[in-house]
Amino acid sequence: GAVVSQHPSRVICKSGTSVKIECRSLDFQATTMFWYRQFPKQSLMLMATSNEGSKATYEQGVEKDKFLINHASLTLSTLTVTSAHPEDSSFYICSAARGGGRNEQFFGPGTRLTVL
Amino acid sequence: GQNIDQPTEMTATEGAIVQINCTYQTSGFNGLFWYQQHAGEAPTFLSYNVLDGLEEKGRFSSFLSRSKGYSYLLLKELQMKDSASYLCAVYNTNAGKSTFGDGTTLTVKP
Repeated sequence: GAVVSQHPSRVICKSGTSVKIECRSLDFQATTMFWYRQFPKQSLMLMATSNEGSKATYEQGVEKDKFLINHASLTLSTLTVTSAHPEDSSFYICSAARGGGRNEQFFGPGTRLTVL
Repeated sequence: GQNIDQPTEMTATEGAIVQINCTYQTSGFNGLFWYQQHAGEAPTFLSYNVLDGLEEKGRFSSFLSRSKGYSYLLLKELQMKDSASYLCAVYNTNAGKSTFGDGTTLTVKP
């Protein structure tokens, strides 16, 4: 159990377009979902934390108007990169926490975004 | 705030044992996780410690000392496929999230 999916796995887009990434917990309800960004050979960088039905909490330095997060249900969160630019090219990874004390995060497979 | 320190890189030989250390400073500690991340892939869960002591799971073991703010991941009978980055993460109840270390890149050589 505890499977998290992400879609799409890879996306290439033109500069100025918006890209939506979906994160789904397939066999459990996720009280909290997290969005990370990771550049090549660098560590995970937490972008935001989202709880179902409430606004996401963004980390310092992350533009909330550029990275829109919607946590519409206990099994789905979306990240929209608005007006993407080449510097937004990165590996975006979501994770979901089941809650209930152990606080373990289950990671999705990641989405590789390339902005031309 | 939270500080998590782990070595940047380690190298070991196939079949050997390697210990990856992690030290942390945090308030509201409520669990320490180890994850494995292969290049180009997302992290996968390896172990969880919330009480002091050793947790063993096959070739991998993880140890925690809360009083010392210290954990280690022990990998036995190393295989080439164990070459990956190993991430230490500490859950902070006050913040409601885990903070990840920068990861230790382990290279296993024949």
